[in-house]
Amino acid sequence: DVQMTQSPSTLSASVGDRVTITCRASQSISSWLAWYQQKPGKAPKLLIYKASSLESGVPSRFSGSASGTEFTFTISSLQPDDFATYYCQQYNSYLWTFGQGTKVEIK
Amino acid sequence: EVQLVESGGGLVKPGGSLRLSCAASGFTFSTYSMNWVRQAPGKGLEWVSSITSSSYIYYADSVKGRFTVSRDNAKNSLYLLMNSLRAEDTAVYYCAFTSQRAYWGQGTLVTVSS
Repeated sequence: DVQMTQSPSTLSASVGDRVTITCRASQSISSWLAWYQQKPGKAPKLLIYKASSLESGVPSRFSGSASGTEFTFTISSLQPDDFATYYCQQYNSYLWTFGQGTKVEIK
Repeated sequence: EVQLVESGGGLVKPGGSLRLSCAASGFTFSTYSMNWVRQAPGKGLEWVSSITSSSYIYYADSVKGRFTVSRDNAKNSLYLLMNSLRAEDTAVYYCAFTSQRAYWGQGTLVTVSS
């Protein structure tokens, strides 16, 4: 099974900060990686798919990139609505796996 | 528009059974692998099971032997039969699939408690 190692688990930041979250896959997953935002009591919201494609309607301050088995998610300028938990997910195989999540908190 | 609507959640006693359903619309259901994902209270996302368009089936070790996934392409529906339920199966259960991107339902809550 593919393991996804996401870091950090918690991140404290201020409005306007640049925020970066990393996921590392234990083996090649090509570009089959998604990033989600989740707020309490809500379903995960897709932000990025295929490692770097921005989901329709998602602000352009969110972006994703890939280098081999390392995937990076960036919020260029953190907004008040962005305080949430973020997950990566690989969908290269039938056995999906998720990162452990990163909680973005107000500093 | 793609829609996935889960139903069938509720309160069940340990050792009991429950059957979840996912009604799909807005895409050619029969051609996609479908998945169940769950999230226990305060925890992360956990993949539960996949069923391919050819009905090959995969399960997480945590549910193998207790859960059974199935699909009815004529009804555009996905199912999850959950037997021998345990407290640790308490979670919101989502159905989902991917093409280039991912599509998720809103989830249904399963609570296993005496």
